[in-house]
Amino acid sequence: NAGVTQTPKFRVLKTGQSMTLLCAQDMNHEYMYWYRQDPGMGLRLIHYSVGEGTTAKGEVPDGYNVSRLKKQNFLLGLESAAPSQTSVYFCASSSTGQGVYEQYFGPGTRLTVT
Amino acid sequence: SQQGEEDPQALSIQEGENATMNCSYKTSINNLQWYRQNSGRGLVHLILIRSNEREKHSGRLRVTLDTSKKSSSLLITASRAADTASYFCATGLTGGGNKLTFGTGTQLKVEL
Repeated sequence: NAGVTQTPKFRVLKTGQSMTLLCAQDMNHEYMYWYRQDPGMGLRLIHYSVGEGTTAKGEVPDGYNVSRLKKQNFLLGLESAAPSQTSVYFCASSSTGQGVYEQYFGPGTRLTVT
Repeated sequence: SQQGEEDPQALSIQEGENATMNCSYKTSINNLQWYRQNSGRGLVHLILIRSNEREKHSGRLRVTLDTSKKSSSLLITASRAADTASYFCATGLTGGGNKLTFGTGTQLKVEL
């Protein structure tokens, strides 16, 4: 099992450009998440999904869009990148059921917007 | 806004010593989890404690939870250089999505 994978690993964008980050998981998890991590801020939730075809806003959703067309994939889009979106982006997934479950994280995408 | 705040922000100890990190949070929770992040890597889950539990052990890790004080602590015993990493607490609320709110983290350095 590869677990959670993210592409690309690094990217540099100019202000106003667009891009899509891809997250894939092979654990058959229902829930998936996108976070951003900035120095001294911990992780902040951008958007999440509780199943194929569903998405919901997290703590910091502005400037981002997401899609979950297939259960195993969760895409994060930046339509018009801004320097404030320079960050490290992490995708995660978790199982669902009666209990509570840990989240499994991908290796991250380091994005720089100039 | 951050739900959890960790203390200390940075901790440096010698190999073999114990390391204690604390996490305080603001609202009632369903569960609290601790994660580890090595430099430049994704987060790895360490341990989960539910709101009705007070203490949990996993190998060299011991986690306590005091819901009356809205705080948790992570103890790593007999630390090793390989334990050098950032440690984050994350709180989960009852409700859909199994969402977590992460703290700001403690940077632990274990020196030989």
